Formats: sequence, C-alpha cells, structure tokens
Amino acid sequence: AQKVTQAQTEISVVEKEDVTLDCVYETRDTTYYLFWYKQPPSGELVFLIRRNSFDEQNEISGRYSWNFQKSTSSFNFTITASQVVDSAVYFCALSEAFGNEKLTFGTGTRLTIIP
Amino acid sequence: DADVTQTPRNRITKTGKRIMLECSQTKGHDRMYWYRQDPGLGLRLIYYSFDVKDINKGEISDGYSVSRQAQAKFSLSLESAIPNQTALYFCATSDRLAGGYNEQFFGPGTRLTVL
Repeated sequence: AQKVTQAQTEISVVEKEDVTLDCVYETRDTTYYLFWYKQPPSGELVFLIRRNSFDEQNEISGRYSWNFQKSTSSFNFTITASQVVDSAVYFCALSEAFGNEKLTFGTGTRLTIIP
Repeated sequence: DADVTQTPRNRITKTGKRIMLECSQTKGHDRMYWYRQDPGLGLRLIYYSFDVKDINKGEISDGYSVSRQAQAKFSLSLESAIPNQTALYFCATSDRLAGGYNEQFFGPGTRLTVL
C-alpha cells in the first residue's frame, strides 16, 4: 500500500524567510508520480508540480523549488522569500503506476506567512 | 468558465436525508473522482470512474454511491446522511491520454453539513 507522510502539521514563518515543507512517501512500485497541491484559504486545490519516479532532477519555478530524493523517499518543497500569498495548506500526493491514477494524499501542512 | 464545476457549493441537511452532489466537467477527460476532505486527514478517495461504464470503490466508499451519467457528469449520493459525513467534498478529473502524466484537476468543492 502507498502512504504519504507530511509530518509538519503547521508552520509559521515571517515574510521573506525561506521555508521547506517535508514529504515522505512509501510505495512498492518502481514507477510512480509525486505531486504537490496548494489549497489557499478560498478552498480550491491548485496543482503545483508533478514528478515521475525516473526523474530525480530538482526543479525550480520562480520562488518555488522541489527536491526529489529516491534514496530517502522524500519530495520536499521549498519556498524562497516567502510572501503572505503563500499562506495555504499544502498537500503532497502519490500515484502508483501508469494508468492507475488514484492519488494518495498526505494530511497537509498549513503554512502561515506572518507579515 | 470553470472546467470542473460542482453543485451545490454549500449544503446543510438533516440526518437521514438523501442528498446528491453533482459534478460536471468540460475538460473532455475520461476519468472522474470523488474525494472528501476532513480537517487533519487530507483528502480521501470515495469513488472513481475511468469511463461511463466503470465504477470503482475508493478508500472510504461505505455510505456513499455514485452514478456516471455521461462522460462529463459524475454524481455522488448519500442515501441516508449522517453527521460524520459532514465534510468538504471534491470532484476531480484526469486525462488517460496524457501519456502517464496523471495530474488531476479539482472542482471548487462542496461543503456539506449534516445536522
């Protein structure tokens, strides 16, 4: 069975600080996909990134970056120079195998950016 | 216009009542999903459907049923609502032709309260 653990329930940082959200996953498949979603206070779920298990390159998108390490089964998310608009709940999710598109979500990390 | 819509957006009902939540999509996706979100538990999969004739149970299907009336419509029913079904419900879609990239697109959510 697959499992996603987001051990950080809540994080608060002062604006402009960097913050890293941790995600650890468990799966027996060799082919899988990892995702991050953002849920702002308005409630919708916004897709941020997808990573497949064969691509361990880190990715940077503006102030956002992701560190995928298969050796530690982790897919961590860093926000650089945080802004108040980054305040949200962030979910990490895992999907096993091509064609089996069921997402298993972590319990989420509530990030609060203090102005 | 939103690609994935859910109706109603908010609903208050009483224990024992039957209620239906509806989801429509204009993305042309084959696959549709229903999740519920509870505080501290993340999103959990209720049912999913890979095409009109396909219905599959998810992690927490007890007390729920679904109907896939057309490719674009996927309804979730609570035959006899109970208070612990109070939650935020999300519909999602994904495209099986996306070459294994199984990103899911979420509707805005339906907040259901069972008194």
